[in-house]
Amino acid sequence: DTGVSQNPRHKITKRGQNVTFRCDPISEHNRLYWYRQTLGQGPEFLTYFQNEAQLEKSRLLSDRFSAERPKGSFSTLEIQRTEQGDSAMYLCASSPSTGTANSPLHFGNGTRLTVT
Amino acid sequence: AQKITQTQPGMFVQEKEAVTLDCTYDTSDPSYGLFWYKQPSSGEMIFLIYQGSYDQQNATEGRYSLNFQKARKSANLVISASQLGDSAMYFCAMRGTTSGSARQLTFGSGTQLTVLP
Repeated sequence: DTGVSQNPRHKITKRGQNVTFRCDPISEHNRLYWYRQTLGQGPEFLTYFQNEAQLEKSRLLSDRFSAERPKGSFSTLEIQRTEQGDSAMYLCASSPSTGTANSPLHFGNGTRLTVT
Repeated sequence: AQKITQTQPGMFVQEKEAVTLDCTYDTSDPSYGLFWYKQPSSGEMIFLIYQGSYDQQNATEGRYSLNFQKARKSANLVISASQLGDSAMYFCAMRGTTSGSARQLTFGSGTQLTVLP
């Protein structure tokens, strides 16, 4: 079990640029989640995949955000035309599909985005 | 809709003492799960303990125990024999079982715990 892996760990970009983050979940987990966490707050749900299907999206996920999981394994989160308000930690998590309420999410170390 | 409330932005505890971190929740789901996570300064969210809404006994995992009071909708985390390495941000979270809430965790705003030597 190598855990959830996220790349890059840190990203600094200028306002208006596009950025893409990658998440590799635990290999046997077919559920994958993206969360955003701003300083001093708890993580906020962005979107969720079951295998390659994106089943749920938060209204926090504006049109500038897009997430994919093309082969049901790794996932990418892209932010277009970044704004300073996008500065946050972006967390990826995975879980198995068996069990529902009792399955914890396993998180990666996150990607910290700074938009200047 | 689900809501988690953590009213203690920061807590201090002396090393080797016990500490209780408060969590209250609100949900309309008939069954749900409650989780506690630890987030050190490195950023990783570490799963600590789980309590099911229909579990008869309070959950325990090593030095962590969950004081679950269903009627009061509270799920406080108790850390016994605090260690310096326990200094971190602690988040309470819940997950429901209805279709809208079954897949995601809803988090509180967290409590920053500092263990003093």
